[in-house]
Amino acid sequence: QVQLQESGPGLVKPSETLSLTCYVSGGSITNYYWAWIRQPPGKRLEWIGYIYYTGSPRYNPSLENRVTMSVDTTKNQFSLTLTSVTAADSAVYYCARGRRPYVGSSSFGSWGRGTLVTVSS
Amino acid sequence: EIVLTQSPGTLSLSPGERATLSCRASQSVSSTYLAWYQHKPGQAPRLLIYGASSRATGIPDRFSGSGSGTDFTLTISRLEPEDFAVYYCEQYDDSLFTFGQGTRLEIK
Repeated sequence: QVQLQESGPGLVKPSETLSLTCYVSGGSITNYYWAWIRQPPGKRLEWIGYIYYTGSPRYNPSLENRVTMSVDTTKNQFSLTLTSVTAADSAVYYCARGRRPYVGSSSFGSWGRGTLVTVSS
Repeated sequence: EIVLTQSPGTLSLSPGERATLSCRASQSVSSTYLAWYQHKPGQAPRLLIYGASSRATGIPDRFSGSGSGTDFTLTISRLEPEDFAVYYCEQYDDSLFTFGQGTRLEIK
């Protein structure tokens, strides 16, 4: 059974860049879409974007001018960078895998437990 | 952007009772792209239902999904102690995923 684990700094300063990595174990990163989703305190879940294992990311229009996602198939991991962060970017960040291989529009069949990122000076 | 509104915000029930959770969309959603998740504190969210009514792998048959258009329902036929959690609906449309604000199912 595939497992996902988010990793990255828990504290980021305003205006700096947030960088997170999701390590995938128990399965190959190939053939699936991989997503980032976040949940600010007291707010609903927000889809940040997804990326296929060969590339071709798609981002939430509300964030696309600040977001970059990438995949490293040699390390079986994928990453998120979010630039120019503000307090509004404070959230629990989750990585997830698409339920169906090859399909970006399917729901999220596997998730990590999430990592809390706080934006503060 | 399609907005999903879940009701009630909190549902207080006892083990053995039936739970009915609602998810209403601001415009019509394809049933193919409507899903439900369960989330417990400190755990990874868990996919329960996809395609509005199909149970994900390993999900007990006390969980069922129904609905179409703008109104969808998650039903838990007989609550078990482990079912008390937060439940979210999610939809995909026009290259964008959105989520409901969640329903908290608590023990009465």
